[in-house]
Amino acid sequence: DAGITQSPRYKITETGRQVTLMCHQTWSHSYMFWYRQDLGHGLRLIYYSAAADITDKGEVPDGYVVSRSKTENFPLTLESATRSQTSVYFCASSESGGGREQYFGPGTRLTVT
Amino acid sequence: QKEVEQDPGPLSVPEGAIVSLNCTYSNSAFQYFMWYRQYSRKGPELLMYTYSSGNKEDGRFTAQVDKSSKYISLFIRDSQPSDSATYLCAMSPGGGNKLTFGTGTQLKVEL
Repeated sequence: DAGITQSPRYKITETGRQVTLMCHQTWSHSYMFWYRQDLGHGLRLIYYSAAADITDKGEVPDGYVVSRSKTENFPLTLESATRSQTSVYFCASSESGGGREQYFGPGTRLTVT
Repeated sequence: QKEVEQDPGPLSVPEGAIVSLNCTYSNSAFQYFMWYRQYSRKGPELLMYTYSSGNKEDGRFTAQVDKSSKYISLFIRDSQPSDSATYLCAMSPGGGNKLTFGTGTQLKVEL
């Protein structure tokens, strides 16, 4: 199916575990983004990527790692999960750049116990 | 003070009403303005996209930008229960810059 997909959709993990959230887009968009959404904070940018092998920090990057070896994939890894990383994570992509229209995936609901 | 302010609501209206959703911002460099609709437990969906000032209409939806007042609006005519969602505004100066989002307004359209 065309579009942007995320997996898993739901994940429960324990404090200290490593977790990887996957994001895949079929549009060949250059730009990809990871956000977290929390009550009272709205959407906050974690990391973004302008192209394969080019990544940069967003507003809240601490505790997260990203990579982008292929244009279509942008995995987000929590190296050692903490309870404060319990959130809903959204991946997005854009053809035109970070400041232009972005298209979002369905989200991953992550709970860290 | 946040760069983009949006009333969180909730806003409850009867079916058929005209809805007005608003955001104010402080950064005069913002040129690209977007509205997203987010249903419960779903990802944000791009609804409207405008550049600079003026109005843009798409069916029952009208987006309005007033750069002199640093104020944007989304109007929904003949509102339907299916319009019940959270509406997020987003904006940027363009180029390689990132989007700045409002925190969203929750709308409920009641039968």
